Amino acid sequence: DIQMTQSPPSLSSSVGDRVTITCQASQDISSYLNWYQQKPGIAPKLLIYDASTLETGVPSRFTGSGSGTHFILTITSLQPEDIATYYCQHFADLSPTFGPGTKVTVK
Amino acid sequence: EVQVVESGGRVVRPGGSLRLSCVASGFTLEDYGLSWVRQVPGKGLEWISGIYWNGGNIGYADSVKGRFTISRDNAKNSVFLQMDSLRVEDTAFYHCAVDYSGSYSRFDLWGQGTLVTVSS
Repeated sequence: DIQMTQSPPSLSSSVGDRVTITCQASQDISSYLNWYQQKPGIAPKLLIYDASTLETGVPSRFTGSGSGTHFILTITSLQPEDIATYYCQHFADLSPTFGPGTKVTVK
Repeated sequence: EVQVVESGGRVVRPGGSLRLSCVASGFTLEDYGLSWVRQVPGKGLEWISGIYWNGGNIGYADSVKGRFTISRDNAKNSVFLQMDSLRVEDTAFYHCAVDYSGSYSRFDLWGQGTLVTVSS
């Protein structure tokens, strides 16, 4: 089974800061990776699919990059509404799995 | 409004069974892949089962394989999850998720979830 890890588990940054979240796969998953945002008490929302394609309606301050085993979600200028937990998810086989999540808070 | 709504969650004893339902409104499910994803309150996300748009591929996480069964009924615009031999560790919110690509590779639309509590 493919295992996903994320770092850091949590972070706190100021409004306007650049924020970077890393996702690592236990084996090569090409670009078969998605990113989700989950705000407290709300169902997750797809942000980025296929590692770098922005879902329609998602602000352009969110970008995704990477391939193989190493992936990055970047928020170029953190906004108060970005407070959430972010999850990566692979789909390289017929058993998709999520990373453990990164909780983002604003200082 | 385009949405999916889950139902069927309740308190059940260990070893018991439960059937969850997810019905779509504002669109038809027949061209889309469907999954169930669960989340223990305060914890992360776990994909547990998915079914392709045509029913041709069905998958289960190891944690539920042999105990849970996913099915779909396009006439009812619904997907179901039959949960047998329930365990305390199955306690979670269960979300229905739609994949517009037809498989279960990504989760474009989510329901708010239904809470399953397994407790004696």
